[in-house]
Amino acid sequence: GENVEQHPSTLSVQEGDSAVIKCTYSDSASNYFPWYKQELGKRPQLIIDIRSNVGEKKDQRIAVTLNKTAKHFSLHITETQPEDSAVYFCAARDSGYSTLTFGKGTMLLVSP
Amino acid sequence: GAVVSQHPSWVICKSGTSVKIECRSLDFQATTMFWYRQFPKKSLMLMATSNEGSKATYEQGVEKDKFLINHASLTLSTLTVTSAHPEDSSFYICSAISTSGSVRVDEQFFGPGTRLTVL
Repeated sequence: GENVEQHPSTLSVQEGDSAVIKCTYSDSASNYFPWYKQELGKRPQLIIDIRSNVGEKKDQRIAVTLNKTAKHFSLHITETQPEDSAVYFCAARDSGYSTLTFGKGTMLLVSP
Repeated sequence: GAVVSQHPSWVICKSGTSVKIECRSLDFQATTMFWYRQFPKKSLMLMATSNEGSKATYEQGVEKDKFLINHASLTLSTLTVTSAHPEDSSFYICSAISTSGSVRVDEQFFGPGTRLTVL
């Protein structure tokens, strides 16, 4: 089955800095890679996703890059704000209705 | 947008009792729903995949007789924790994938979670 590794487990940055979270996956058949933000006690919220036919996708301060050859994808957050503080999960999936395999999560702390 | 609800949002029960958690897709149909368990500061662990009209598929290590899943309609799946014990205390989250309609097919939408505490 799929295995997703996520690093770092914790990340502390100053407000305005950039944050990068990296994930690797094992199953070359995976073709969908979403990123979720989860605040304490809340549900995971999809913030951005990318499919295997695209190398990069951007949405305002958030971007995701995908390297299919190396089987890794990364989340980039620019101009971080305190409200970006949360746990971020990457995930991978190989077809439309199969389950997502999640990374272990990264706790991002943005200090004012 | 797509909304998934869960009920109850939290529950406290005595050891040995059973607890039922409902997961509903409010504005879309979901052939497939998933049940996850999440411990504090940990990732989401898939427990089972629930398919409408058929038996759930359980992940390795998850006791199907303890965690009963029923997916009776395209908008409702239930998880029943039978004979609950303190070690079953956790945050249970469901999610659903839309199979049709205006909601983007294949995006996975999560419920708000149910916090179960077994005394």
